[in-house]
Amino acid sequence: GENVEQHPSTLSVQEGDSAVIKCTYSDSASNYFPWYKQELGKRPQLIIDIRSNVGEKKDQRIAVTLNKTAKHFSLHITETQPEDSAVYFCAAKTGANNLFFGTGTRLTVIP
Amino acid sequence: DVKVTQSSRYLVKRTGEKVFLECVQDMDHENMFWYRQDPGLGLRLIYFSYDVKMKEKGDIPEGYSVSREKKERFSLILESASTNQTSMYLCASSQGTGGRYSNQPQHFGDGTRLSIL
Repeated sequence: GENVEQHPSTLSVQEGDSAVIKCTYSDSASNYFPWYKQELGKRPQLIIDIRSNVGEKKDQRIAVTLNKTAKHFSLHITETQPEDSAVYFCAAKTGANNLFFGTGTRLTVIP
Repeated sequence: DVKVTQSSRYLVKRTGEKVFLECVQDMDHENMFWYRQDPGLGLRLIYFSYDVKMKEKGDIPEGYSVSREKKERFSLILESASTNQTSMYLCASSQGTGGRYSNQPQHFGDGTRLSIL
C-alpha cells in the first residue's frame, strides 16, 4: 500500500515569514494530493489539493508543488499569520486505493 | 456548505460494551468514511462505504464493523470495546459515483472523542 511521510513534525515561524511542509509518497500511481488544516479541537478542513496532471497550484497565500519524479509534494504558506497556527496533514491517493495521510505537522506562528 | 454531523463529541464507555458512533451528512454524498486519529499516527481509515449497504475494510478494521442502511447515515460499531480503542473518531463524506476511484475532497465531521475505561 501507499506510505506517506511528512516533515517536519513541528514547525515554528515568526509572523510574516514563510512556512514549508514536505511530504513524500511511495506509490508512483498516486494521483491525488490534498492538504488539510486542523485547528485545535476542530475538524480537518481541506485547504488545497492537487492532481498529478499539474505541478503547482496556488490559492492566495497557499501553494502546493508536486514533483512526480521524486514522489514528493510540498505545502507553502507565505506571509504567515497567527491564525495559520494549526496541525497540517498531507495525503495521497491512487486511483483504486484509499486516501493515506501523513502524520501531521504542528505549525506555530509566533506574533 | 457540506455538513457532516457526528452524534456525540465526547463518549465514555466501559470495556466489553457495544458502542455505536453515528454520522450523518446532508449533501447526498455517495462515499462515507470512518477514521481514527491518534497522536503521531495521523488519520487511519477503519472502513468506508461508497453506496448504501456497501462497505469495504480500510487499513485498521479489526474490532470494528459498520452499517449503511441509508445514504446519509454511516454508523461505526465497536463490537466489544477495549481500552486500545480509546481515540478520536472522525467521519467524512465525499461526492462521486466512482466509488473507491473517486478523487473528490473529503469533508469531515467534528469528531467523537471516545474513552474506553
